[in-house]
Amino acid sequence: SQQGEEDPQALSIQEGENATMNCSYKTSINNLQWYRQNSGRGLVHLILIRSNEREKHSGRLRVTLDTSKKSSSLLITASRAADTASYFCATDNTDKLIFGTGTRLQVFP
Amino acid sequence: KAGVTQTPRYLIKTRGQQVTLSCSPISGHRSVSWYQQTPGQGLQFLFEYFSETQRNKGNFPGRFSGRQFSNSRSEMNVSTLELGDSALYLCASRNTGGEETQYFGPGTRLLVL
Repeated sequence: SQQGEEDPQALSIQEGENATMNCSYKTSINNLQWYRQNSGRGLVHLILIRSNEREKHSGRLRVTLDTSKKSSSLLITASRAADTASYFCATDNTDKLIFGTGTRLQVFP
Repeated sequence: KAGVTQTPRYLIKTRGQQVTLSCSPISGHRSVSWYQQTPGQGLQFLFEYFSETQRNKGNFPGRFSGRQFSNSRSEMNVSTLELGDSALYLCASRNTGGEETQYFGPGTRLLVL
C-alpha cells in the first residue's frame, strides 16, 4: 500500500489536554498536509508544511516535519470537545495526495 | 467564495448498475481530483483533471472514469457496480497557480446493494 501510517489509531483525552498524533510516510514529498474529518463528512484542511520546513504553527496547531525520518507530528493544544474528529496526514509529491490511515480523536468535556 | 459542491450527497444502487457523480470546484480552480474512502482501504486517489485533461490516475480498474468540462466542473462514472464500490467519494479542487492546498467537498456516499 502507498498509504502512510498514523499513530495512535485512536486517542481519548479530556478537554484542556494536549493531543499529539504522529504520521510516517514512505516516499519523498513536496509537502505534507493535515486534514480533519467529522463523522464521515468532507475533509477540512488544517495546515500545510513544505519539505524544507521543520515546524509550523497555526492557532492551537503545531506541526513538525522530519524528512530524514519521513515522519510528521500534529499537536493540538488545549483541546476542546469540538476537536473530536478523525485526523489524517497526506503527502503530496506528484500533485496527488497520499493519505495516512488516520487518528480518531475523542475529546471529553 | 462558495466551496466545493458535490451532487448527489447520497445514492443507492444495485450491483451491475452504473453511476455518475458530479463535482463543482471553487470558482477559479482548474484542478479537480477524486478520492475514494472506505473503511478497509482508507482514502485513495482516483484521478485528477486539469483543463479537461486527465493528468494523474490512481490504481483503480477501468470501470472508474471521469471527465472535466470547460467550466472545470467534473464528473466521475463507475460502471458495472460491485458491492466493494460502496464508499464515500470525495472531490477536491485546487488553484494550480502555485496553490498547493486541496479543498474538499462534502462527498457523495454511495451504497451498492
